[in-house]
Amino acid sequence: DQQVKQNSPSLSVQEGRISILNCDYTNSMFDYFLWYKKYPAEGPTFLISISSIKDKNEDGRFTVFLNKSAKHLSLHIVPSQPGDSAVYFCAASGDDKIIFGKGTRLHILP
Amino acid sequence: DADVTQTPRNRITKTGKRIMLECSQTKGHDRMYWYRQDPGLGLQLIYYSFDVKDINKGEISDGYSVSRQAQAKFSLSLESAIPNQTALYFCATSDGGWLREQFFGPGTRLTVL
Repeated sequence: DQQVKQNSPSLSVQEGRISILNCDYTNSMFDYFLWYKKYPAEGPTFLISISSIKDKNEDGRFTVFLNKSAKHLSLHIVPSQPGDSAVYFCAASGDDKIIFGKGTRLHILP
Repeated sequence: DADVTQTPRNRITKTGKRIMLECSQTKGHDRMYWYRQDPGLGLQLIYYSFDVKDINKGEISDGYSVSRQAQAKFSLSLESAIPNQTALYFCATSDGGWLREQFFGPGTRLTVL
């Protein structure tokens, strides 16, 4: 029973275009959502987060959108750069737990 | 120097052996976590500790134990390793609860033969 789903295992985007990564959750008790980025042979690093009281949070090229009614969040990267090629994990916290999605591998094409 | 370090970085062991993975942090955080990652899967929480006297089970604690020796040190033990514990293990820290970002170590790749 996956409480946090990232349905796209991989995504390829042209450099300079927008990358959109999606995440769905099932537990309505989750009230804080985070995105992490992971390069090979390294631990995940925090990217951006959003509280359930907001529907958008922006940090430079990264924007996270939250649609609570649909239990859906998305990460937008604009413009996409070669260094953005990595695995991105969505995480949801609340109800005394944190659950990570399986990740989406983003390839930025030259 | 890295804020969160893990030793060893790689380990190959045999079924039935006792293994300890160690984690140290210099961030001064109270909260520490152990996760495992299997190929194609997300991070699954094994154990977490909110301070030296507080240890809690995560989603997949069976077959594992932990020890919080100090604020800066949190070790994970496999008392009798089995092949399906072959995975990538990450330690993480945070200065708040679930609502705060976690800082991860570089990971330990464990292979149980």
